[in-house]
Amino acid sequence: KAGVTQTPRYLIKTRGQQVTLSCSPISGHRSVSWYQQTPGQGLQFLFEYFSETQRNKGNFPGRFSGRQFSNSRSEMNVSTLELGDSALYLCASGDSNTDTQYFGPGTRLTVL
Amino acid sequence: AQSVTQLGSHVSVSEGALVLLRCNYSSSVPPYLFWYVQYPNQGLQLLLKYTTGATLVKGINGFEAEFKKSETSFHLTKPSAHMSDAAEYFCAFRLLGGYNKLIFGAGTRLAVHP
Repeated sequence: KAGVTQTPRYLIKTRGQQVTLSCSPISGHRSVSWYQQTPGQGLQFLFEYFSETQRNKGNFPGRFSGRQFSNSRSEMNVSTLELGDSALYLCASGDSNTDTQYFGPGTRLTVL
Repeated sequence: AQSVTQLGSHVSVSEGALVLLRCNYSSSVPPYLFWYVQYPNQGLQLLLKYTTGATLVKGINGFEAEFKKSETSFHLTKPSAHMSDAAEYFCAFRLLGGYNKLIFGAGTRLAVHP
């Protein structure tokens, strides 16, 4: 099976702009979770989608949002970008049968 | 509060030496526990996991970990370090009923020198 795909791999934006990141999970997986990784805060859970419904959410402001499509692909959106949003954004594909999550390579977002 | 603590942000070992990376969790009920490894400019790769059953868990690349409920620990070990083991290692837990939300430790960077 193909692994988790995230696009784009790198992004550079300026403050105030918005950005959309995409994640395609492993075929057959219906759960997609998003994490933010920064040197200062480490790995933090953003939210999880399962069968097009958000079923868990971390402590991030409303500028961070997401959605999931019927084919399980997920997008996350960050509006009104701030310098502190610069991070590696990781997507994880969840296997309900084994309670295991598999991570994609991440999208490196730089906000200038 | 539920949390994961990894003792030692940096660990350095010689090639061939024992690798021991420490992880303690704080939770009122036994969680599911995981170790992930991250190589530079890559995502996280699952090394091993504990859900239920046998407390000694074997993973990929010769790593293993033992769940000790009395000590709330899940330390990662490898008998003999290899240069290719140099990476950052993350311990994480997921609560039963917590869907797929993982709570991660701060990570331990492992250096392996000749």
